Amino acid sequence: DIVMTQTPLSLSVTPGQPASISCKSSQSLLHSDGKTYLYWYLQKPGQSPQLLIYEVSSRFSGVPDRFSGSGSGTDFTLKISRVEAEDVGVYYCMQGIHLLYTFGQGTKLEIK
Amino acid sequence: EVQLVQSGAEVKKPGESLKISCKGSGYSFTSYWIGWVRQMPGKGLEWMGIIYPGDSDTRYSPSFQGQVTISADKSISTAYLQWSSLKASDTAMYYCARLQYGGDYWGQGTLVTVSS
Repeated sequence: DIVMTQTPLSLSVTPGQPASISCKSSQSLLHSDGKTYLYWYLQKPGQSPQLLIYEVSSRFSGVPDRFSGSGSGTDFTLKISRVEAEDVGVYYCMQGIHLLYTFGQGTKLEIK
Repeated sequence: EVQLVQSGAEVKKPGESLKISCKGSGYSFTSYWIGWVRQMPGKGLEWMGIIYPGDSDTRYSPSFQGQVTISADKSISTAYLQWSSLKASDTAMYYCARLQYGGDYWGQGTLVTVSS
């Protein structure tokens, strides 16, 4: 299995300030088709997970542009440029290379 | 509008069998993989397995191989997750997801409680 490791596991951020979450995979997520199968999700309290970012840096439909993803190979980052109250929840990175998916442990974002 | 609608909450006893469902609508059900995800109380997300309804090709995560069965009935656009003998440790929320862009649409979740 590919192991996904997120840091930090929790964040407390003042509204309007930036936030950053790191995700490292135990193997490269670059597929032979040229795509890198790294995704970011947010699970708000009491809700199903929602897709934020796919293939490292593409924002899913309707996702605000304050969310951005970057990285390559085994090291990836999710950045929120200005945190808002509605961004609270748990953020997960996920890999999907070779149709064998695994999530990171999750990073809980709270508002100060 | 793409929707995945899951069956309702279940309360079962250890040793009982269970089959929960995930009905897709608003898209070609046979053209996308569907996955199942477990979330135990207060814990993170775990992939259980995936199925391609077009030909029923199924892949299981190693931790869940032999523990559950994933299936699909393309005639009614529905995927299933089933257990033959539940354990207390199967108590969790279970989600299905359409696997475009990793998981672009998700069901609302089915809460399974296993208790004697």
